[in-house]
Amino acid sequence: KNEVEQSPQNLTAQEGEFITINCSYSVGISALHWLQQHPGGGIVSLFMLSSGKKKHGRLIATINIQEKHSSLHITASHPRDSAVYICAIPLFGGNGGATNKLIFGTGTLLAVQP
Amino acid sequence: GAGVSQSPSNKVTEKGKDVELRCDPISGHTALYWYRQSLGQGLEFLIYFQGNSAPDKSGLPSDRFSAERTGGSVSTLTIQRTQQEDSAVYLCASSLVGTGGEKLFFGSGTQLSVL
Repeated sequence: KNEVEQSPQNLTAQEGEFITINCSYSVGISALHWLQQHPGGGIVSLFMLSSGKKKHGRLIATINIQEKHSSLHITASHPRDSAVYICAIPLFGGNGGATNKLIFGTGTLLAVQP
Repeated sequence: GAGVSQSPSNKVTEKGKDVELRCDPISGHTALYWYRQSLGQGLEFLIYFQGNSAPDKSGLPSDRFSAERTGGSVSTLTIQRTQQEDSAVYLCASSLVGTGGEKLFFGSGTQLSVL
């Protein structure tokens, strides 16, 4: 079982739809990252959160530490949101502190059609 | 520079040759990471540098892989005697300090193709 699981793997939506991508993990974490990867490979960090909810524009990320679950929501989706969305959690280092050695989910391929 | 810079962006090589991939992190970032993304696979951690500490090489898949970071800035990932299974996108990222609560900044990657 992967330590980080995402669903769905593929998602097709119509422009304007509300989108939810889910991420579940099996280990204790200090923070969770949501990343966006556009065709061509460039990865952008969207959010890094350790509790509650964060919002940036049309993107909202939530996390429930007790349930080991996070969601990424996109409101009023647009074709330019088409990308792979990846959640990732940090491994802990030898001194017990969290690092940015990340374990990644397999990603959710989102296609937003006009 | 303004962001993490990687070169080359594409590299095609023959099986058995050595390759060097370069990463120039954001100025002032003490932590630098190499990740690999193979076709159809997720991202996997390779190696991590933080300041002057010994690098964490726990993700390197074999002893054909090595990396160094000179002067706490530019890093080079070297793959010796390349194999076809080494074909992947190699991504470099940097962060300010290297703790788990930091935003990562990624380069555009080097697409390596081993024929």
